[in-house]
Amino acid sequence: GAGVSQSPRYKVAKRGQDVALRCDPISGHVSLFWYQQALGQGPEFLTYFQNEAQLDKSGLPSDRFFAERPEGSVSTLKIQRTQQEDSAVYLCASSLALAGGPHEQFFGPGTRLTVL
Amino acid sequence: AQSVTQPDIHITVSEGASLELRCNYSYGATPYLFWYVQSPGQGLQLLLKYFSGDTLVQGIKGFEAEFKRSQSSFNLRKPSVHWSDAAEYFCAVGPNTGTASKLTFGTGTRLQVTL
Repeated sequence: GAGVSQSPRYKVAKRGQDVALRCDPISGHVSLFWYQQALGQGPEFLTYFQNEAQLDKSGLPSDRFFAERPEGSVSTLKIQRTQQEDSAVYLCASSLALAGGPHEQFFGPGTRLTVL
Repeated sequence: AQSVTQPDIHITVSEGASLELRCNYSYGATPYLFWYVQSPGQGLQLLLKYFSGDTLVQGIKGFEAEFKRSQSSFNLRKPSVHWSDAAEYFCAVGPNTGTASKLTFGTGTRLQVTL
């Protein structure tokens, strides 16, 4: 596709349920980022992949959060035992990161997660 | 640690008036700087970016921004606002590493445009 796509666009979960959020980056983009955007706030970094390697997961708020990108393309963000404070929009971004040059990140529309 | 401050939470301007949105950053060196716009229910769209060179950068939709190293600022401007510019605007910084790196965002400025 032409841009970054995310699914589902909306997810409602009961507290304690597990959820999986999917991100399809722009074809050929090496770098993939996940951000969390709470209501009324700016996005906050969660984790970063370069191809299939997870190079930075310093922003994951707890061990209930897990991300993977097994084939270096599609990525999944999984949240186990969801809590109300996990309610947020989860944004995925991809970037064509070639050595020797900076590149901007292209964002998907996000998945709005509501935990009841 | 890098940080971004957008001091104006909410700004209202009349259609046709000029606009300036403020952004100040804290970073040990010259960072990469970005402005994104977010419409309700949408993802972030890049308006413009500064990596190096000319400190006045032009973006899409008639926006421009000026990097001022001495003031650690990267303010966004538009000479004449259109009603369709109403949205949330985010300033972001990233480390100047030459490759893609995580971004740090400000809390955003919500722009309202009156007709």
